[in-house]
Amino acid sequence: DQQVKQNSPSLSVQEGRISILNCDYTNSMFDYFLWYKKYPAEGPTFLISISSIKDKNEDGRFTVFLNKSAKHLSLHIVPSQPGDSAVYFCAASTSYGKLTFGQGTILTVHP
Amino acid sequence: ETGVTQTPRHLVMGMTNKKSLKCEQHLGHNAMYWYKQSAKKPLELMFVYNFKEQTENNSVPSRFSPECPNSSHLFLHLHTLQPEDSALYLCASSSPESSYNSPLHFGNGTRLTVT
Repeated sequence: DQQVKQNSPSLSVQEGRISILNCDYTNSMFDYFLWYKKYPAEGPTFLISISSIKDKNEDGRFTVFLNKSAKHLSLHIVPSQPGDSAVYFCAASTSYGKLTFGQGTILTVHP
Repeated sequence: ETGVTQTPRHLVMGMTNKKSLKCEQHLGHNAMYWYKQSAKKPLELMFVYNFKEQTENNSVPSRFSPECPNSSHLFLHLHTLQPEDSALYLCASSSPESSYNSPLHFGNGTRLTVT
C-alpha cells in the first residue's frame, strides 16, 4: 500500500514557465512534508518542506502548497530553469520521524 | 561534497559473494539510515540507527546485515544476494534531536548489480 503517490512519472516544461509537481497521500497521520531533488549519479538533496499547520511555504523560486482536506501537496517552480531538470521526490512523515517517499517525478526543463 | 560519503560508487557481485557497503558522515549527526531505490519505485527505508543503536528494521531479509560502529560510520554487509537486490543503495544521516522535521542528508549511493 503506497501511502505517498506521485502519479506523474514525468513532466516537461519550457524554460521560464511554471513547473507544477503533484503529490497525494493517504495517511492522515502525516504532518510534515518534504520535497527532495535528485540529479543522476547523486543522492537526493532536500529542497523545501511544509508543516501541516501551514498551507504554503515559499523559498525563492520554489513554493510548496498543502491541501490537507484533499491530502494533496504540490511544488511550484517559477520560473523554471534548465538546471531544475532532475527527479523530484515527495516525502511525508509522522511525528515519529519516519519518512515515506513517493516514487518520483522526472522534470525536464527545455531551453 | 554532500557531507555523506558512500563507497564504493558501483559494485558488481555474484550471488555467492560477500561484500560490504560503507557510509561515512561528517555532519555531526547521530542518526543514520540505509535506503534502497529500485527502478520506478519509491525510496524504501531499510534500517535506522540512532546513537549507534538500531531503531528500525523494515522487514529486510537477513542477507542484508547493517553495522554501526559509531555515529559517523555505517556499513551494510551483503551475502548471498539475489538478482532482484540490484538497486541503488543510499545512506543518509540526520539530527535526531529534531528528527521529526530534520531533513535527511543523503550520500550519492552505491549502484549494486547482482549477477
